[in-house]
Order: sequence, then structure tokens, then C-alpha cells
Amino acid sequence: ETGVTQTPRHLVMGMTNKKSLKCEQHLGHNAMYWYKQSAKKPLELMFVYSLEERVENNSVPSRFSPECPNSSHLFLHLHTLQPEDSALYLCASSQMTSGGEETQYFGPGTRLLVL
Amino acid sequence: GDSVTQMEGPVTLSEEAFLTINCTYTATGYPSLFWYVQYPGEGLQLLLKATKADDKGSNKGFEATYRKETTSFHLEKGSVQVSDSAVYFCALSGASKGRRALTFGSGTRLQVQP
Repeated sequence: ETGVTQTPRHLVMGMTNKKSLKCEQHLGHNAMYWYKQSAKKPLELMFVYSLEERVENNSVPSRFSPECPNSSHLFLHLHTLQPEDSALYLCASSQMTSGGEETQYFGPGTRLLVL
Repeated sequence: GDSVTQMEGPVTLSEEAFLTINCTYTATGYPSLFWYVQYPGEGLQLLLKATKADDKGSNKGFEATYRKETTSFHLEKGSVQVSDSAVYFCALSGASKGRRALTFGSGTRLQVQP
């Protein structure tokens, strides 16, 4: 595997289900990100993990819970979601440096539908 | 805070036409600027980038120049192909949101007709 991979690619879940999205990066990067892409809205940053420290967007509901067990893996745990959470969830990684310029590399995304 | 503004789409062109997608930004300091492309059913792919004023990023026939005086990073291509049909996102990397996360524009859909 190369680059950034995400599983599953598609997920349908009910509002009472619990599921997890998985992301793995094979680039040796030290930072990983979750973004949400909804129809007709700009991409929204949800969470950043860099050097094992989590930074989050304060507008993300608590029904989304990230987990980063190591620098290569990132999970997004989902529980009691709402239909408006249906979106494409994109994972990205980058090599964070003190110099400031970092290029983020994206996975293919998980298309989530909440019924 | 940081923001990126892109022209509204969709942009519809005939094959071999000239393409311009406008992008302007607002940011503190000296951000890096990026263009990403998203083909149907896929994630975002980095198309090109520029890290300082007057830099020109280029890839696959696409170009964009970092213009600090006009705070712009317009995407251009001299001759588009049907395979260029996709959504194009302008983005900047700054120091907002506590970490160097990307701020994206809303995306511009390009449709190229044969």
C-alpha cells in the first residue's frame, strides 16, 4: 500500500449504530487530519493529531471521537449520528516541521450515509 | 481569520479551450498556497503548490503564480482536456486553528465537453 488509505470506502449506518472509520498513512508523516466534506460546503477540518497531540475544531459534536494510537493510524469513532452527518470523510497526513510549509496528502475518503 | 475565495462554478469549456479559475485569499503572515483536484468519487489530489511570493507552481499543464500584491493564486491551463473535468480547490496553509491546517475554498467544478 502507498500513500493514504481509508476503510471502508462506503458506509451506511442507522442513528443508533456505532461504527469506526480507519485511516492509515504509509508516508512516514507525523501529523494526521480528519476533514468533513458536505455537499455545497467547504471542507471542514475536524481534528488534527500532530506528535500525538490532538487539536480539534470546537464545533465538532461529541458523537465524533477520534483516536490516534500511533503516527501511522487514525480512527474516527461514530455513535448516535444524525442524518446531517452524512458526508464524505477525508483523512490526510503531512510532515509537520518548524519551517511552516507542509503539504497534506489525502486518502480517497469514506462516503457515509446515516439513515 | 484565514479565508479563501474561489469563483463560482460550474465552469463549462470545450476541449482545447483556455482555463482560468480565480482564487483570492486573506491570511496573516505568509501562507503556502495549494491547488487540489477531486475527480468524481475520489479524494483530493495535490495538483500544485507555491510557498512564497512570485513562486509559480506547475503540474500536468496547469500553472498558478503566488501574487502577494493581489493576494491571488489563479489556476490556468492553456488547453483543457475532457479528462480535466473535476472539482478544483484552492487552499492555504497558515497558522490558524492552532496548527498548520489547510483552509479551503468552496471548490470550482470544471466540465470539459468534447
